[in-house]
Amino acid sequence: EIVLTQSPGTLSLSPGERATLSCRASQSVSSSYFAWYQQKPGQSPRLLIYAASSRATGIPDRFSGSGSGTDFTLTINRLEPKDFAVYYCQQYGGPPYTFGQGTKLEIK
Amino acid sequence: QVQLVESGGGVVQPGRSLRLSCAASGFSFSSYGMHWVRQAPGKGLEWVAVIWFDGSEKYYADSVKGRFTISRDNSKNTLDLQMSSLRAEDTAVYYCARGFGLGYFDPWGQGTLVTVSS
Repeated sequence: EIVLTQSPGTLSLSPGERATLSCRASQSVSSSYFAWYQQKPGQSPRLLIYAASSRATGIPDRFSGSGSGTDFTLTINRLEPKDFAVYYCQQYGGPPYTFGQGTKLEIK
Repeated sequence: QVQLVESGGGVVQPGRSLRLSCAASGFSFSSYGMHWVRQAPGKGLEWVAVIWFDGSEKYYADSVKGRFTISRDNSKNTLDLQMSSLRAEDTAVYYCARGFGLGYFDPWGQGTLVTVSS
């Protein structure tokens, strides 16, 4: 099973700043099979990025994904108040599919 | 629009069974793999099970293998999760999600809460 470790656990930033969230895999993951999700309190997760760098439908270009092998990054430019949430990475190379433990992005 | 609506959650005693359902609409249900993902209170996401678009393949997380069974009815656009021998650690919100490619999830249902407690 591929273990995903996200860092930092909590990220405190102000609106307008840039957020950089990291996800490290215990073994190499094909970049074709890597995703990011956003979850706000009381809501279901929402797909942001798939195939490591492709934005899902309706996701603004302030969100970008990058990475390969074992290191992947989600970057959010010009943070807006609605961006403060928990973010999860996921690999989907085949079952079992695994998630990172999440990074909480909070307002500083 | 694409919609997934889960039902069947509730409070159940340890060792008992419960069946969750997910009603799909707004897309060609029979063309997509479908997943169950759960989230324990205050915790992260855990993938539970997947069923191929035609039901030909099913896979489970080790934590539920042998206790949970995923199934689907493409004529009714429904996805089910039969849960047996429930444990306290199965307490979670259970989401159904449409699968893309090998398995990223979009969209997710609103979730149904399962509480295993005596």
